[in-house]
Amino acid sequence: GQQLNQSPQSMFIQEGEDVSMNCTSSSIFNTWLWYKQDPGEGPVLLIALYKAGELTSNGRLTAQFGITRKDSFLNISASIPSDVGIYFCAGQRVRDNNDMRFGAGTRLTVKP
Amino acid sequence: DAGVIQSPRHEVTEMGQEVTLRCKPISGHNSLFWYRQTMMRGLELLIYFNNNVPIDDSGMPEDRFSAKMPNASFSTLKIQPSEPRDSAVYFCASSPTGAGGELFFGEGSRLTVL
Repeated sequence: GQQLNQSPQSMFIQEGEDVSMNCTSSSIFNTWLWYKQDPGEGPVLLIALYKAGELTSNGRLTAQFGITRKDSFLNISASIPSDVGIYFCAGQRVRDNNDMRFGAGTRLTVKP
Repeated sequence: DAGVIQSPRHEVTEMGQEVTLRCKPISGHNSLFWYRQTMMRGLELLIYFNNNVPIDDSGMPEDRFSAKMPNASFSTLKIQPSEPRDSAVYFCASSPTGAGGELFFGEGSRLTVL
């Protein structure tokens, strides 16, 4: 079953608005990652975080690795229609041991 | 460069039939993963291989599911016999050693068991 609690489950926003989603766990994770899945496609990596407290940006996306190692958030600024999709957090308890667990996903809808 | 290639993209079958899903990972990637995605349970890790060897199959639902990786460029996930609750999208992903968690996913195989 799921070990990562991701919220919100879905978001409906207007184009131009900022978006925030987060992921928590009762376990410590040493790697946090954020993926995006477009309809009919597999997930694609957006941002990877490897150190507690790390804040990383990728264009309009910003993600942070929580200090406690039990949470992470993803922000999207100035949303555009192509941001529509499902965003997944993922984590590894041991880096590179390939046991990747995914959150349930946040389904984002952007109204033009 | 070719990504992860999965086949078939869609399969509709009847309960009790055998289903075989196929995956060709990205050349040079040492790890291969099978995930199942449903609305209720999200993305579930079924099994993963390192250098063609199964490392963790604890996510495989039951004995009806089996996975093989006979060589570095091919893997199969088999369901025999299939049941309606197996209906889902099955993803294969591959990763190079030391990728720090970046998985490269295929486009998925959508299975419907009637």
